[in-house]
Amino acid sequence: AQSVAQPEDQVNVAEGNPLTVKCTYSVSGNPYLFWYVQYPNRGLQFLLKYITGDNLVKGSYGFEAEFNKSQTSFHLKKPSALVSDSALYFCAVRPSSTSGTYKYIFGTGTRLKVLA
Amino acid sequence: ETGVTQSPTHLIKTRGQQVTLRCSSQSGHNTVSWYQQALGQGPQFIFQYYREEENGRGNFPPRFSGLQFPNYSSELNVNALELDDSALYLCASSFYWRVNYGYTFGSGTRLTVV
Repeated sequence: AQSVAQPEDQVNVAEGNPLTVKCTYSVSGNPYLFWYVQYPNRGLQFLLKYITGDNLVKGSYGFEAEFNKSQTSFHLKKPSALVSDSALYFCAVRPSSTSGTYKYIFGTGTRLKVLA
Repeated sequence: ETGVTQSPTHLIKTRGQQVTLRCSSQSGHNTVSWYQQALGQGPQFIFQYYREEENGRGNFPPRFSGLQFPNYSSELNVNALELDDSALYLCASSFYWRVNYGYTFGSGTRLTVV
C-alpha cells in the first residue's frame, strides 16, 4: 500500500537552532514530493516540492528538503528556526500515475514548536 | 490572484442531514480536489474534478458527491451525515497541467456533526 510516514508527532527546537522534520514514503514509481505547512484555523500552505533534479530542494521561508531515493525519505530542514515557524507540517506524495488522477497522499503531520 | 475561497468557514449539522460546501478556485485553475482532514490526521483525498467531471475518487462512500461548474467553482455534497463526518474539509485547485507542481489550498470548512 502507498503511504507516507511522519514518525514524530512533535518536534521541539530552540530558536536559532537548526530543525529537521522527518518524512519517509512508500509508493511505486517515481513520486512527486511536497511539504505543506498549516497554521491554526488555516488551510495548507505550499512550502516546497521535489519532482526531479537536485536532491536538495529550496522552498519558501528559508526551508529546504533533502530527497534520498535509497532511503525513500524527504526530510524538511531549516538552518535557523524562528518562533514564527511553529506550526503543523505535512509531507505529501503524489504517486506517478497514468490515470490522470492527481491524488496526494499525506502524512499525519508533525507539530513543530520553536522555543524562544 | 484571489486564492481559493471556501464557504462557509464553520457549520454545525445534525446526524442524518445533508450538507453542501462550496469552493471558488484560484483564478483560471481548472482542476479541483477535495480533502477531508479529521482531527489529528492528515488530509484524505475525497475526489478530483476536471472539466466538470469526476476523474478520480478516494475511499469515500457514494454519499459524498461533488460538482464542478463551468466557472470552475465546485461543491462538495454529503448526504446522510454521520458523526465521523466531522472534520475540516479542504478544497484545492490547480491548472490541470501543473498539478504535479502543487495545489493551492483553501482555508477549509469545519463541519461538526452532532
